[in-house]
Amino acid sequence: EAGVAQSPRYKIIEKRQSVAFWCNPISGHATLYWYQQILGQGPKLLIQFQNNGVVDDSQLPKDRFSAERLKGVDSTLKIQPAKLEDSAVYLCASSLGDYSYNEQFFGPGTRLTVL
Amino acid sequence: AQSVAQPEDQVNVAEGNPLTVKCTYSVSGNPYLFWYVQYPNRGLQFLLKYITGDNLVKGSYGFEAEFNKSQTSFHLKKPSALVSDSALYFCAVRSSGTYKYIFGTGTRLKVLA
Repeated sequence: EAGVAQSPRYKIIEKRQSVAFWCNPISGHATLYWYQQILGQGPKLLIQFQNNGVVDDSQLPKDRFSAERLKGVDSTLKIQPAKLEDSAVYLCASSLGDYSYNEQFFGPGTRLTVL
Repeated sequence: AQSVAQPEDQVNVAEGNPLTVKCTYSVSGNPYLFWYVQYPNRGLQFLLKYITGDNLVKGSYGFEAEFNKSQTSFHLKKPSALVSDSALYFCAVRSSGTYKYIFGTGTRLKVLA
């Protein structure tokens, strides 16, 4: 079974530039999550999709971050414009359904450095 | 509000010795508890979870965890540590009826040969 795919793996940009990350979840997984993991901290949920609808985006900085999930499969996360504090690893995860007890499967992450 | 605490930033243990990584939680409603492991430059991997039933749950790579409702704890354990167990471990909690996972800050486990 193929895992969660993310690209790119690494990205370096200057502040005020824009950047986009892509995620392809495990086939058949209805729920998709985007997390931000700053060095030394645990992952923080940015947005959660159930199929192509947003379930929770309460911690997404909506003035600069946006995300979409096309046709309930792939997803993109965009930052525009980037700030220095956005430097982090962005993790995508998926799970079978939205049941509270489903474990999540994580991709390798995208390490973003904002200069 | 949901919260999870991992009180130790780092745990050092000698190879072959038992290990414990601590986790305490606070939720309203029934808790669903998870442990994940993160190896360098890799995403998180699921280890085990507690949903209901037996308080001792067994997971991947010989790990187990004990749910203690009165102490609101879910400590990760392994009877005999391996050097290859060295990694970053995260505890996570979700309460029944909510969508959001809350992750702890992580505990770095270092197994010394």
